Amino acid sequence: GAVVSQHPSRVICKSGTSVKIECRSLDFQATTMFWYRQFPKKSLMLMATSNEGSKATYEQGVEKDKFLINHASLTLSTLTVTSAHPEDSSFYICSAYPIVSYNEQFFGPGTRLTVL
Amino acid sequence: GIQVEQSPPDLILQEGANSTLRCNFSDSVNNLQWFHQNPWGQLINLFYIPSGTKQNGRLSATTVATERYSLLYISSSQTTDSGVYFCAVGDNDMRFGAGTRLTVKP
Repeated sequence: GAVVSQHPSRVICKSGTSVKIECRSLDFQATTMFWYRQFPKKSLMLMATSNEGSKATYEQGVEKDKFLINHASLTLSTLTVTSAHPEDSSFYICSAYPIVSYNEQFFGPGTRLTVL
Repeated sequence: GIQVEQSPPDLILQEGANSTLRCNFSDSVNNLQWFHQNPWGQLINLFYIPSGTKQNGRLSATTVATERYSLLYISSSQTTDSGVYFCAVGDNDMRFGAGTRLTVKP
């Protein structure tokens, strides 16, 4: 149990376009999901906390108009990278806690975004 | 915010050797997890261990919450143990350490 999926796993887009990444909890419900970003050979950096039914909370330095987050249901959060530029190229990973136990966090397999 | 430090940053072992990875954190937390990131980027949950000791096969972990550190032990290492090991701590959101890159040579 406690599986988190992401779609797509890999995406290549042109500069200036927008890209949507989906994060789904497959076998549990989550009122809170998290979005991380990882550069090559670096650690994971928290970008934002996604709250079901309310606005996301962004970490300092993360542009909320650039990275739009929507958490429309207890099993789905989406991250939209708007007007993507090459510097947005990165590995994006989501995670979630099951509602029934706010302890162990489970991570999706990640989405590799390349902006040309 | 909370600071998380992992050591050593890199570790090279011969197959069969044992190792200890350390995670220090700057504030008390309710959640501490160890992960192994595989070559495809997937984070594999190893331990949820805000305190105490747990064992799972060749791996074990100990967290001393009062002293703000956690240790991950890998015994009889195998080449498949190679990869990056992360410690993450927090209450709600998780903060990651820089990781330990482990290479196990045959």
